[in-house]
Amino acid sequence: QKEVEQDPGPLSVPEGAIVSLNCTYSNSAFQYFMWYRQYSRKGPELLMYTYSSGNKEDGRFTAQVDKSSKYISLFIRDSQPSDSATYLCASLPPAAGNKLTFGGGTRVLVKP
Amino acid sequence: GAVVSQHPSWVICKSGTSVKIECRSLDFQATTMFWYRQFPKQSLMLMATSNEGSKATYEQGVEKDKFLINHASLTLSTLTVTSAHPEDSSFYICSARQGPGGYTFGSGTRLTVV
Repeated sequence: QKEVEQDPGPLSVPEGAIVSLNCTYSNSAFQYFMWYRQYSRKGPELLMYTYSSGNKEDGRFTAQVDKSSKYISLFIRDSQPSDSATYLCASLPPAAGNKLTFGGGTRVLVKP
Repeated sequence: GAVVSQHPSWVICKSGTSVKIECRSLDFQATTMFWYRQFPKQSLMLMATSNEGSKATYEQGVEKDKFLINHASLTLSTLTVTSAHPEDSSFYICSARQGPGGYTFGSGTRLTVV
């Protein structure tokens, strides 16, 4: 079992819809959680970073962490074609030498 | 915000030659940098952790002699693919850490070995 699981998609939504992305993790000791967006042939770009359970909002993006269920989510409101990309969740396990653990990524396509 | 500059963005080389990829933190000092490899439609695979002034730590299965990492200063880490072969063709990405959530990635290098 992978430490961080993520549905590979692709997830196709019409423009303006809410995009809902999820990850589950297996190690309850995971502390920091991040969401990255990666366009084709580009490096990942940090979207959201959370530490505690609950919601964190930044513009059209909302990150949600439920540590009791070991479940993290990213919601994108009013999706745009420019949101079409691969979204990667990541976590920083304790005592991991600062090495991030990534999910496999979900490919999102927002159709105009 | 933090910026990590990676060069070149793409490179084509002949089989048997070596290729160097540079990763620079432009506005912060990075004692630790990370090198990843990514195959098409797959997630990032950590290759090694680069520590300034010391030897890199390689992940299991990564050939140290093929993928040479040097982190001579707080703002520069290099990855050299030695004696490259077509199977080394991939997308290589570096990352530098600023804090718990401050992992900034370079724009990646697409390597094609012919």
